[in-house]
Amino acid sequence: GDSVTQMEGPVTLSEEAFLTINCTYTATGYPSLFWYVQYPGEGLQLLLKATKADDKGSNKGFEATYRKETTSFHLEKGSVQVSDSAVYFCALSLTGNQFYFGTGTSLTVIP
Amino acid sequence: GAGVSQSPRYKVAKRGQDVALRCDPISGHVSLFWYQQALGQGPEFLTYFQNEAQLDKSGLPSDRFFAERPEGSVSTLKIQRTQQEDSAVYLCASSFRWWGELNTEAFFGQGTRLTVV
Repeated sequence: GDSVTQMEGPVTLSEEAFLTINCTYTATGYPSLFWYVQYPGEGLQLLLKATKADDKGSNKGFEATYRKETTSFHLEKGSVQVSDSAVYFCALSLTGNQFYFGTGTSLTVIP
Repeated sequence: GAGVSQSPRYKVAKRGQDVALRCDPISGHVSLFWYQQALGQGPEFLTYFQNEAQLDKSGLPSDRFFAERPEGSVSTLKIQRTQQEDSAVYLCASSFRWWGELNTEAFFGQGTRLTVV
């Protein structure tokens, strides 16, 4: 079935470190791919998305590239900040009416 | 309102009690989703509405779970005879796009944390 597998956490980084959170997917068709972020005490928010192979989604310094050949959508940021501390979820959608989420990766950035 | 609003934020129910969770989507949003998020897990799909029509309820775990959206706006998720395994955060999301549009962005509420004791 359709699913998303993402890197297990928790991840702890120092401020200004490089971040990678791995995400791979399994899908029967050609999904759209998403990264959602959940800050403490808040709801899920869309961070970025990509709708076809080789697309790069970017927002707030985060980037992810839709790689069809490796079925991956890894999240990266060159220099993390304390305010990036949150839980990050990779997700896919094939029809727009249902999203499949990964288990989430908790990121803590220390000053 | 500015975002998706869910109430109550927290609910403690005794096992066997019925509960009703409310979702106020963003005004004008056609699509509405319910998700269940167990501790340490990602959200799991429960059901989907397009306006008042429930087009997909394949994720509802049992017939104790029932969702409605009678006027195409506010939705209620009802759980009858709650069990301990129902303890989770219940998330509601809405989107203004229609079925099948792959660029759909879903806007999520903060969720209702249900604890069954």
